[in-house]
Amino acid sequence: EDQVTQSPEALRLQEGESSSLNCSYTVSGLRGLFWYRQDPGKGPEFLFTLYSAGEEKEKERLKATLTKKESFLHITAPKPEDSATYLCAVQTDTGNQFYFGTGTSLTVIP
Amino acid sequence: KAGVTQTPRYLIKTRGQQVTLSCSPISGHRSVSWYQQTPGQGLQFLFEYFSETQRNKGNFPGRFSGRQFSNSRSEMNVSTLELGDSALYLCASSAEGGILGWGTEAFFGQGTRLTVV
Repeated sequence: EDQVTQSPEALRLQEGESSSLNCSYTVSGLRGLFWYRQDPGKGPEFLFTLYSAGEEKEKERLKATLTKKESFLHITAPKPEDSATYLCAVQTDTGNQFYFGTGTSLTVIP
Repeated sequence: KAGVTQTPRYLIKTRGQQVTLSCSPISGHRSVSWYQQTPGQGLQFLFEYFSETQRNKGNFPGRFSGRQFSNSRSEMNVSTLELGDSALYLCASSAEGGILGWGTEAFFGQGTRLTVV
């Protein structure tokens, strides 16, 4: 069964304390993996798309990486404004289905 | 540049009723996709429309339907509402060729909060 699992569910970091969020997936065939940021009361904001194992993308303090079974979102020296829920999603190459993880709620404490 | 606009923002309906939600994509975007977000299930993909044609569909019952107009605006309809349909309904638009950022970026609206009582 296709599924996406994110861990941890919640993460509290001190400002400047780097960490990683995990997104593991089990799908029949991966077409793309996506990371989003969602602030309370708002729709998700697109961050990255990764297409193949070994690929990496960076944006400010965020770096996303992809292996054949999981993706990591690395947050370097986070700031309080990085506090949000981070969602990952995968698109399969069979039937073009999309599956979301339930997200990691990140809180960065000043 | 105006973002994705969803109306209404909040809606309260009674079980058994039907509801229509609207999504106006970013000007020039031809792809609109719909999602249901609940605390227990997270975000779930409903369907995607591209140039007035449904291109992808998630695993939701037939009570959930949608359509897209020639100006790319899209509507989603839920018939015979159930309590479990209470959720935040989000739409996203992208220029073409994909949703969720495939090929091009996708942008979400702020959603319609539907409560079924």
